[in-house]
Amino acid sequence: EADIYQTPRYLVIGTGKKITLECSQTMGHDKMYWYQQDPGMELHLIHYSYGVNSTEKGDLSSESTVSRIRTEHFPLTLESARPSHTSQYLCASSANGNQPQHFGDGTRLSIL
Amino acid sequence: SQQGEEDPQALSIQEGENATMNCSYKTSINNLQWYRQNSGRGLVHLILIRSNEREKHSGRLRVTLDTSKKSSSLLITASRAADTASYFCATDARRAQKLVFGQGTRLTINP
Repeated sequence: EADIYQTPRYLVIGTGKKITLECSQTMGHDKMYWYQQDPGMELHLIHYSYGVNSTEKGDLSSESTVSRIRTEHFPLTLESARPSHTSQYLCASSANGNQPQHFGDGTRLSIL
Repeated sequence: SQQGEEDPQALSIQEGENATMNCSYKTSINNLQWYRQNSGRGLVHLILIRSNEREKHSGRLRVTLDTSKKSSSLLITASRAADTASYFCATDARRAQKLVFGQGTRLTINP
């Protein structure tokens, strides 16, 4: 299995809280991605990064923000969580943009 | 707009039978990839086929690519209960540095 880790695996939290989802990889990959996936549904790209200090918005509009200060770390932040943010968030990395992506096991987020 | 669409959305077969899933896409690609996702887990890369390849094998997996029809198929032979998962195709549009995933096919292997 690939060395990419996401924490927490599950998070249940109240509306209005600030949340940070962590994602770290030890493969030295420049490219990192965040996807949002509802159960049994397709993946939607919400953020990606080509390298340190590079972040771009994905195909699906999201109220979340990301940062890439270190190659191995790509955290996602929600400043004020809402029930509409309830979903699974998957982090991935790759050596190149069109090469295989390595995925973490995801964070299942529930906003009450 | 969505790049990849998969068919069928769900497939249920008996253990030992072959499973075939199809993927169609809209724009020119560099390569097409297939991934598996077990329930509650992340995606795992299975196989990558380049746009100049027509067929590729990996163990019990066989992938075909028809760029003229903008379609691909994934065949799993001699299915096992452990093959139960969702399977996604992913394409990279030319000059893009990201993948676009299809809706996925939910495969159930009945013992």
